Amino acid sequence: EAGVTQFPSHSVIEKGQTVTLRCDPISGHDNLYWYRRVMGKEIKFLLHFVKESKQDESGMPNNRFLAERTGGTYSTLKVQPAELEDSGVYFCASSPSSPRLGLARNEQFFGPGTRLTVL
Amino acid sequence: SQKIEQNSEALNIQEGKTATLTCNYTNYSPAYLQWYRQDPGRGPVFLLLIRENEKEKRKERLKVTFDTTLKQSLFHITASQPADSATYLCAGSSNTGKLIFGQGTTLQVKP
Repeated sequence: EAGVTQFPSHSVIEKGQTVTLRCDPISGHDNLYWYRRVMGKEIKFLLHFVKESKQDESGMPNNRFLAERTGGTYSTLKVQPAELEDSGVYFCASSPSSPRLGLARNEQFFGPGTRLTVL
Repeated sequence: SQKIEQNSEALNIQEGKTATLTCNYTNYSPAYLQWYRQDPGRGPVFLLLIRENEKEKRKERLKVTFDTTLKQSLFHITASQPADSATYLCAGSSNTGKLIFGQGTTLQVKP
């Protein structure tokens, strides 16, 4: 079974440019999460999709960040325009929904991350 | 705000000894505590989950405890090996699935 994949693995852009990160979750996983780790800090939650719907976007830093999950498969996270403080590693994770309770299973499968550097 | 705290200092131990890592939580009552392993350049990998009504959970050489009175979880690796060297992350979660992570503790096991 293929794991969670993320593209690109690294991105270096200038302040003010736009960058789009992509995440392909494990096939069949309804839940998709985005997290971010900035230098020296803990991994922080950004948002949670259930299929194509945003379940929780309380961690999104501001309106320069836009996440989509068209068709409930892969997801994109666009940063426009990028600022210096957006630099960090962006992780995507997925998990299946519990068919019995309709709740998300708690174990999450993480991708390798995208390292974003804004100069 | 909800916070998960881990000892940010690296833990150095000798091969064969038991490693014990600590995770404390404040302003928070997680339904679950999870432990992940992270190697350099990779994403976190799930190891163990313990529910708030469980005292202890074991998996092979790993053991996790959950003390709701102390608001603390302990993570033990027995008979440690150099291959256990990594950063270990504690994360709290509820039924929504959102994870709140600590900063992680780096473990170095010396042969």
